[in-house]
Amino acid sequence: AQKITQTQPGMFVQEKEAVTLDCTYDTSDQSYGLFWYKQPSSGEMIFLIYQGSYDEQNATEGRYSLNFQKARKSANLVISASQLGDSAMYFCAMREGHNFNKFYFGSGTKLNVKP
Amino acid sequence: SAVISQKPSRDICQRGTSLTIQCQVDSQVTMMFWYRQQPGQSLTLIATANQGSEATYESGFVIDKFPISRPNLTFSTLTVSNMSPEDSSIYLCSVEIRGDRASDTQYFGPGTRLTVL
Repeated sequence: AQKITQTQPGMFVQEKEAVTLDCTYDTSDQSYGLFWYKQPSSGEMIFLIYQGSYDEQNATEGRYSLNFQKARKSANLVISASQLGDSAMYFCAMREGHNFNKFYFGSGTKLNVKP
Repeated sequence: SAVISQKPSRDICQRGTSLTIQCQVDSQVTMMFWYRQQPGQSLTLIATANQGSEATYESGFVIDKFPISRPNLTFSTLTVSNMSPEDSSIYLCSVEIRGDRASDTQYFGPGTRLTVL
């Protein structure tokens, strides 16, 4: 089974609107971490936000927030007030408590912000 | 976080040749990793670069094809050997500062875009 599933290959959003990128995960560990990365066309991977499995509050970092629903095993990224520079690939990732060395990445979502 | 640089940033190589990619970090880090990202795909972990010992390879990757060195806590190299067009990918190194907590984030270098003709 896939550890990380991103079901949206591509998304469009109007500039200044909010957008939600979906991510579901699969683990039997109680301790795990969830991450979102942004990859512009330049190819670099930029860390955006982290959510721990024991964190009771949803993580927020500026315009990024993570909608963490533990029972549903989902960790959706919400980008508020989209900007043209947000156009990029977005990857959800997870590490499990029993193997901190390994990150599992989803297939990614290509976000296009329209002016 | 850490500042990570990779050399070269891109290269075009002939099949059958080898390319060595360098990854330099501006501070000592516990863990260093090498990933491959084939065109239009997600990231796949090649190996964990261990300082002072042999790298730990993931299933499907072998030392003869992807030899890795890590002579100290700030530097690592990945060699792509006997290249074929299927090796055309972005190769990324990543680092982790502590490596003992679920929240420890992996930070990535800018990547090396490799095209094999």
